[in-house]
Amino acid sequence: DAKTTQPPSMDCAEGRAANLPCNHSTISGNEYVYWYRQIHSQGPQYIIHGLKNNETNEMASLIITEDRKSSTLILPHATLRDTAVYYCIVRVLDYGQNFVFGPGTRLSVLP
Amino acid sequence: SQTIHQWPATLVQPVGSPLSLECTVEGTSNPNLYWYRQAAGRGLQLLFYSVGIGQISSEVPQNLSASRPQDRQFILSSKKLLLSDSGFYLCAWSGGGLSNQPQHFGDGTRLSIL
Repeated sequence: DAKTTQPPSMDCAEGRAANLPCNHSTISGNEYVYWYRQIHSQGPQYIIHGLKNNETNEMASLIITEDRKSSTLILPHATLRDTAVYYCIVRVLDYGQNFVFGPGTRLSVLP
Repeated sequence: SQTIHQWPATLVQPVGSPLSLECTVEGTSNPNLYWYRQAAGRGLQLLFYSVGIGQISSEVPQNLSASRPQDRQFILSSKKLLLSDSGFYLCAWSGGGLSNQPQHFGDGTRLSIL
């Protein structure tokens, strides 16, 4: 599976959009991009995933570049409760055994 | 809707004691099930996954074992705990078979070995 690269930490002002980048330059055509977040002492929470089209749900938007080598997770109006570690994962269609959680990005939403 | 339950939430055990952590899923059938461990400040490490009753795949050699006695029940066990078994244990499920659907995690068990 392709590896991902994320900045170790980011800050965002409360009420502003949080844009979390992920680089996956070696992604192959059949690999999906997933985003999770983990709030301290809780299990990871699924946010969104996509293959090549941009996706939006009630939590966030996922923007995947045309060449699919990078993506951005957008939290449109960050709140203090969005402070968490955010993980970007790429994997092929499989039985789920290749979900690899790297160190992620620690997002701090500041009042 | 589907839900996943893990218990206990926290556990303190002496070295050499046995372990049994249980995970159950409701609202779905024939899910893929997973056990992960997360060391403090680290990413998640996949320990075991199962695609069906009695079918267990181990990802890393270790002091732990897993069993799936029922379709929606996944158990993590050890006969003798080591200090290195301390950590945050997470159970997860996803739709059965080959799938692009995401995994969904339980709230985890924080295990401390003394």
